[in-house]
Order: sequence, then C-alpha cells, then structure tokens
Amino acid sequence: ELKVEQNPLFLSMQEGKNYTIYCNYSTTSDRLYWYRQDPGKSLESLFVLLSNGAVKQEGRLMASLDTKARLSTLHITAAVHDLSATYFCAVDVIQGAQKLVFGQGTRLTINP
Amino acid sequence: GAVVSQHPSRVICKSGTSVKIECRSLDFQATTMFWYRQFPKQSLMLMATSNEGSKATYEQGVEKDKFLINHASLTLSTLTVTSAHPEDSSFYICSARKGALTNTIYFGEGSWLTVV
Repeated sequence: ELKVEQNPLFLSMQEGKNYTIYCNYSTTSDRLYWYRQDPGKSLESLFVLLSNGAVKQEGRLMASLDTKARLSTLHITAAVHDLSATYFCAVDVIQGAQKLVFGQGTRLTINP
Repeated sequence: GAVVSQHPSRVICKSGTSVKIECRSLDFQATTMFWYRQFPKQSLMLMATSNEGSKATYEQGVEKDKFLINHASLTLSTLTVTSAHPEDSSFYICSARKGALTNTIYFGEGSWLTVV
C-alpha cells in the first residue's frame, strides 16, 4: 500500500522566517505534486516535479524531489502572512492501477 | 476559468436518500478521473479511480454499492452516494487527468454534502 507522509503536520511561524516541509513516500514514482488548500476551497496546484533532482521555484516557495530517497521538500523563504494555508504533497502512480495519493497535509500559520 | 467543473457545489439531503455529484472536464478529454472525500481538517482520501468506459477501481474500505461511480464519457464522471447517512457528510472532490498517463491533473471546485 502506498503511503505518503508529511511532516510537520502543523507549523506556526513568524513572518520573515524560513522553514521546510517534508514529504516521504513509500513507492517508486517520478511524479510528485504540491498543492495549496485554503479553508473551504479546493486545491491549487503549486508544483509538478517529474524527475530526480527536479527543483522548481515560485516566489517564496521552492520544491525539490529526490526519487532515490523518495523524498520531496517544500521550502518557504521569508514567510509572509498570505502563505498561511494547508499544503499537500501527492504522489502520482501510473504503473499498473493509477492512483494519486495525498499526504496528510501541513497546516501552516504565519504570524505577523 | 475552471477546467474541471463539479456540480452541485453544495447539497443537503435527507438520510436514506441518494445524491449524485457530477464532475465534468470542460475542454479536454479525461480518460481517468479520481474521486476524493475530505473530512474537516483532514487530508484528501482517495475513494476510487475511474476510467472511461470501464468499472471504477475502489480503494480498500470504500463500499462500491454505496458510492456508485460512473464514467460514461470522456468528459463526465458521476459519484452517487446511495442511502446517505449523516456520517457521509463531507467535502467531495474530483480530479481529472488530461489525456492518458499525463502529468496534467485538474481538480474540481469540490462539493459539500450535508446529510440531515
């Protein structure tokens, strides 16, 4: 059974600080996605990571993928309040039965 | 604008009745759609993967007879919650893969189901 585990699950930080969210997964996959979810809303796609060593950056967010370690990270630089949300990673399995499986989510609160 | 549309966005139904949620890809063909359930402050739990023209593949623990999934065309999948109970109240989200095995996946806006 595919397991996708994020940590931390809750993160409260001050504006201006840096932090990293980790996503570990249990099966071979070259496709790892990061999403943002605001309360009561659906998902917003942030990053699509498709190969070992992939790194993508958008504003204060940067995501990376290490397929050998089965680990992805989402790094937040100089956090601002607007980044407060829940962040999910998801692993896309296309070998055999297709699945798109999510981690537990990391609820990020950024305080002024 | 949205490329995957879910309808209804909110629905209230009585216990024991059935309710249907539609998921449409608006400008592309979706050979594969995924259905999720999300309880408050929890993650998205994959319920089933549906492929156009074939039976859905349900995840372990999801009752096939209770959550009927139909993917009759390349642009429409439906989830029917049968004999709904209050514990079925949740946020249901669909997603659609654009084309076969691509990494382009779009999510619907979600449907809030409240069973009273």
